[in-house]
Amino acid sequence: AQKITQTQPGMFVQEKEAVTLDCTYDTSDPSYGLFWYKQPSSGEMIFLIYQGSYDQQNATEGRYSLNFQKARKSANLVISASQLGDSAMYFCAMSPGYSSASKIIFGSGTRLSIRP
Amino acid sequence: EAQVTQNPRYLITVTGKKLTVTCSQNMNHEYMSWYRQDPGLGLRQIYYSMNVEVTDKGDVPEGYKVSRKEKRNFPLILESPSPNQTSLYFCASSLLGQDLIRRTGLPRGAQYFGPGTRLTVL
Repeated sequence: AQKITQTQPGMFVQEKEAVTLDCTYDTSDPSYGLFWYKQPSSGEMIFLIYQGSYDQQNATEGRYSLNFQKARKSANLVISASQLGDSAMYFCAMSPGYSSASKIIFGSGTRLSIRP
Repeated sequence: EAQVTQNPRYLITVTGKKLTVTCSQNMNHEYMSWYRQDPGLGLRQIYYSMNVEVTDKGDVPEGYKVSRKEKRNFPLILESPSPNQTSLYFCASSLLGQDLIRRTGLPRGAQYFGPGTRLTVL
């Protein structure tokens, strides 16, 4: 069965430090996509970053990077130089298959709190 | 403005009273989906639709119905709501296929989410 696991329910980090949010996944599909979404306290869901299973390089988007270790089935999100506005819930998600999105599976989330 | 809208945003109802939560997107997206969010469980997919008249079950479809008669609309129907359906509901949409990157710069599967509907069933 396909599954996403986020083992850190909550994290506290000092402003300007880098932070790594853990995500492991389980799938038997050779092709899949991995995503991270941010949910601030206002409630909206914001797409952050994507990694395809066949992508050779780790994805980066500004201060966000995805540390993709295929053999270990992990897709950790790294936020460099954290800011107060990074305080939010973060969800890892997986979309099995390559040619299109179908079922999307989300992890239970990590609540990140940035201390000034 | 590109957006996904949901109505109502807040709803308190009683057990057994049929209700519909509407979802509409103005981006001509093929893919639409409904999720429920519960504390400690993240988002769980209820139903999704790859295009008009094409729908399929997600992980938690029991007690819900959907329809996709038009590309832009994907209503969620609770025929006989029960208290365990009290939750925060999100609708989302995305393009499919190679058009996705070319038209939006977003990768496949990256979804636009609606603002959420908080449903309480008494």
